[in-house]
Amino acid sequence: AQSVAQPEDQVNVAEGNPLTVKCTYSVSGNPYLFWYVQYPNRGLQFLLKYITGDNLVKGSYGFEAEFNKSQTSFHLKKPSALVSDSALYFCAVRGIGAGKSTFGDGTTLTVKP
Amino acid sequence: DVKVTQSSRYLVKRTGEKVFLECVQDMDHENMFWYRQDPGLGLRLIYFSYDVKMKEKGDIPEGYSVSREKKERFSLILESASTNQTSMYLCASSLFGELYEQYFGPGTRLTVT
Repeated sequence: AQSVAQPEDQVNVAEGNPLTVKCTYSVSGNPYLFWYVQYPNRGLQFLLKYITGDNLVKGSYGFEAEFNKSQTSFHLKKPSALVSDSALYFCAVRGIGAGKSTFGDGTTLTVKP
Repeated sequence: DVKVTQSSRYLVKRTGEKVFLECVQDMDHENMFWYRQDPGLGLRLIYFSYDVKMKEKGDIPEGYSVSREKKERFSLILESASTNQTSMYLCASSLFGELYEQYFGPGTRLTVT
């Protein structure tokens, strides 16, 4: 079975500061990992994914995520947060041969001016 | 750009009614998914389909059924709506395979009274 944990329901950061949204996973074999974002009153949008190769993955809107196999983590990061980054963020995992992805419960990011 | 559309943004139905939620994608994706999103519970998979007339149960299929008669269209059916099915329903599509991200529709907020 595969699972995802987003240990923080809420993350608050000041504009201009770095941000991190945490994600840990459990899966048999190698994982495929994804981050999605949901802006208020909008559908989910794909941000970035890790398939293989470089552990640091770059995505949309200046976001990046670091895959750490030993810690089974895939934390989302951004060097300098914007107020417009305020949204609900979901991490998802899919194992090789799995028919579906498993999503975390989501983390609400609030960036204050 | 991939476009996933859902037939309604908001829907209000009465207990016991049969409810149809329609989803259409325009990118020839093999996979289609139905999720429900509830606060604090993340995204939970109801059903998915990887081909026309094929369907697989997700994590919470009880009280729901689906239909996929054409590749671009995936319908979610609530045979007899109940108040505990009040939720946000999200449709998604993707290419076939574990390493592909999903593209989501804007969602349908269903209220059952």
